[in-house]
Amino acid sequence: TQLLEQSPQFLSIQEGENLTVYCNSSSVFSSLQWYRQEPGEGPVLLVTVVTGGEVKKLKRLTFQFGDARKDSSLHITAAQPGDTGLYLCAGANLGTLTFGKGTMLLVSP
Amino acid sequence: GAGVSQSPSNKVTEKGKDVELRCDPISGHTALYWYRQSLGQGLEFLIYFQGNSAPDKSGLPSDRFSAERTGGSVSTLTIQRTQQEDSAVYLCASSFYTLYEQYFGPGTRLTVT
Repeated sequence: TQLLEQSPQFLSIQEGENLTVYCNSSSVFSSLQWYRQEPGEGPVLLVTVVTGGEVKKLKRLTFQFGDARKDSSLHITAAQPGDTGLYLCAGANLGTLTFGKGTMLLVSP
Repeated sequence: GAGVSQSPSNKVTEKGKDVELRCDPISGHTALYWYRQSLGQGLEFLIYFQGNSAPDKSGLPSDRFSAERTGGSVSTLTIQRTQQEDSAVYLCASSFYTLYEQYFGPGTRLTVT
């Protein structure tokens, strides 16, 4: 069974702070995706990383895929209340996704 | 364009009853997925359809769960003889093809009393 461990499970910060969320596994994935989910809605894809060592930037969000394609991180710079939500990582193999349990981020004004 | 839609948005049922949950994928998407999301458990893969191929049922938790996809479009997830542990949000997603970006519906919140 492929497992993805996300940490921390919950993060409460003030607007303007920086944060990093981690996604770790003992398994190798062909690609890794990050989603954000808001209450009452389905997850929305933020980014897909494919190559080991790859770094992608999406405005204030920086995503990194580990060299061995087993782990990933999401760094948010100068967090805003609009960043509040559940952040999920998902590893892809053989057509299906394995999701982590998510990191709930709360950004207060 | 229209996204993935699911119905009903909420369903409350008594233990032992059967329920049907519906998913309308994005038109033209060949892959359709069902997931279950429980509090503190993340998204659990249930079943996956790709075109006309036999579905991947490896995630179904018991034989009380089944799903079909008619005409390569609409899908129905059926849970027979519901149990309290079936209470969760059931999410459907579709993608243009396997491993392409998955677009999720808003989910159906199922409560078994």
